[in-house]
Amino acid sequence: AQSVSQHNHHVILSEAASLELGCNYSYGGTVNLFWYVQYPGQHLQLLLKYFSGDPLVKGIKGFEAEFIKSKFSFNLRKPSVQWSDTAEYFCAVYKAAGNKLTFGGGTRVLVKP
Amino acid sequence: ETGVTQTPRHLVMGMTNKKSLKCEQHLGHNAMYWYKQSAKKPLELMFVYSLEERVENNSVPSRFSPECPNSSHLFLHLHTLQPEDSALYLCASSQEHRGRYNEQFFGPGTRLTVL
Repeated sequence: AQSVSQHNHHVILSEAASLELGCNYSYGGTVNLFWYVQYPGQHLQLLLKYFSGDPLVKGIKGFEAEFIKSKFSFNLRKPSVQWSDTAEYFCAVYKAAGNKLTFGGGTRVLVKP
Repeated sequence: ETGVTQTPRHLVMGMTNKKSLKCEQHLGHNAMYWYKQSAKKPLELMFVYSLEERVENNSVPSRFSPECPNSSHLFLHLHTLQPEDSALYLCASSQEHRGRYNEQFFGPGTRLTVL
């Protein structure tokens, strides 16, 4: 069965620190990859996505992610976080068969001012 | 109203109650989804409706009963729930093309507490 793993459940860091969240998936076929973010009290919203082409994708709010096919990974990065980046971040993998989006367990990020 | 709306936002119910969650999408999409978000567990896909037909039931207990009367509305009927069913229930919609992913837009969720 396809699974998506996020390495850290909780991350605490200070403003201006760099952030990297790990994501690994188990599906061997063609995948589309996503990072979603859920700010406190708000909807899940798409941060960035990878379909094909350049494996380094840029999303909103200064986030980027790198798809490394050989490692089945899609790690999220931001060079310098802000307090407003406090949120829960979800990695997700889509496979065409079944029109199914599978989510990782999420990582709660707390940025201290 | 724009996007995906859900009502109620909070619901407390006893194990013998019957209640329904409602989702409405204002995006002209043709696919709708129910997810369950529990503490310390990944977001779980429950049901998928595409063109008003249920295309996936992810081994969800029968005490959860979805209904999709048209492409804009999705309901989740609840009866004789258990305390472990307490969670945030998220609705999402997307414009589905065969085999091609399009972004799912999520509603704010209904926070359900079963006593």
